[in-house]
Amino acid sequence: KAGVTQTPRYLIKTRGQQVTLSCSPISGHRSVSWYQQTPGQGLQFLFEYFSETQRNKGNFPGRFSGRQFSNSRSEMNVSTLELGDSALYLCASSWSPGELTEAFFGQGTRLTVV
Amino acid sequence: AQTVTQSQPEMSVQEAETVTLSCTYDTSENNYYLFWYKQPPSRQMILVIRQEAYKQQNATENRFSVNFQKAAKSFSLKISDSQLGDTAMYFCAHYSNYQLIWGAGTKLIIKP
Repeated sequence: KAGVTQTPRYLIKTRGQQVTLSCSPISGHRSVSWYQQTPGQGLQFLFEYFSETQRNKGNFPGRFSGRQFSNSRSEMNVSTLELGDSALYLCASSWSPGELTEAFFGQGTRLTVV
Repeated sequence: AQTVTQSQPEMSVQEAETVTLSCTYDTSENNYYLFWYKQPPSRQMILVIRQEAYKQQNATENRFSVNFQKAAKSFSLKISDSQLGDTAMYFCAHYSNYQLIWGAGTKLIIKP
């Protein structure tokens, strides 16, 4: 069974550009969540989707957005990139529609903004 | 606000020793899940162990066990017979409202 796949693994962008990150969950999983990891702020929740519906959103500016498709694949977009957006972005998937019993993580996308 | 606190930024032990990582959390919920995740240098976040708050019995997974004190809101991880492969960042997390709330992490180094 394939794990959670995040693409691309590494990305270098210039300030002001926009970027789209992709996450393919484990087959059968319908919940996808995104986290930002930085040395200064640690792990912070971005958003969570279940069956194409955003169920919760973290405290991030509107430049951060996401969506989920009917096949459960998810994308997140960051517009007008800032240096502070440099981070490891982690995606997690789970099958549970309610309580989380286990989340499986991808290897992350390392975004560098220059 | 719900928070998770890990007070040990870094720990170092000899191979085969036992080590305990601390975690405290704050929540107003009565039923919830707690997790310990491991993040090795490869960056892949791996579930180590989970605990359901309504279960009084402490969770165990092979060499990993927890000491869950619900009243004290404490959730420590014990690693027995530590191995070199246990070297990693360890994160404590609390699940609430469709999100994981994370501690700052403890860097664990196992020395040969």
